[in-house]
Amino acid sequence: GENVEQHPSTLSVQEGDSAVIKCTYSDSASNYFPWYKQELGKGPQLIIDIRSNVGEKKDQRIAVTLNKTAKHFSLHITETQPEDSAVYFCAPFGNEKLTFGTGTRLTIIP
Amino acid sequence: GAVVSQHPSWVICKSGTSVKIECRSLDFQATTMFWYRQFPKQSLMLMATSNEGSKATYEQGVEKDKFLINHASLTLSTLTVTSAHPEDSSFYICSARLQFPYEQYFGPGTRLTVT
Repeated sequence: GENVEQHPSTLSVQEGDSAVIKCTYSDSASNYFPWYKQELGKGPQLIIDIRSNVGEKKDQRIAVTLNKTAKHFSLHITETQPEDSAVYFCAPFGNEKLTFGTGTRLTIIP
Repeated sequence: GAVVSQHPSWVICKSGTSVKIECRSLDFQATTMFWYRQFPKQSLMLMATSNEGSKATYEQGVEKDKFLINHASLTLSTLTVTSAHPEDSSFYICSARLQFPYEQYFGPGTRLTVT
């Protein structure tokens, strides 16, 4: 099955600074790469995704970059705000299902 | 984005009893729904995949006779935890996928506590 690793496991950044989370996967057949944000006690929320034929996608302060050759994709959050504090999961899609990474706890320091 | 609801949001039951959790896609039809389980400070683990009108496909290690899944319509799937035990206490999250192009949306989760 798909082996997914996410780094770092925890990340603290000053408000206004940028945060980057990296996800590596093993299945070269994976073709859809979403990022989810999960707040305490809630279900994951899709925040951005990218497909295998695109290298980068941006939505306001959030961007995702994909390197299919190296089998990794990254989440970039700029101008971080306190409400960005949450756990973030990558979940590459392959073999008809999402496989979730181990998660990154992001803390924004006011 | 699409909206998925779950009911109840939390439930407490006694050991040996059964609990049913409902999952609904509110503004779209979902041919495929998923059930996940999440322990504290851990990632989501897929339990099973269900397609409308078909039997669910369970992940390795998940007891199909204990976790009964019914996907009766394009907007409703249910998970029944039978003969619950304290080790079944967890956060159960359902998800529904758009037919194309793979976008998958999650419900708010159900916190199950078995005493």
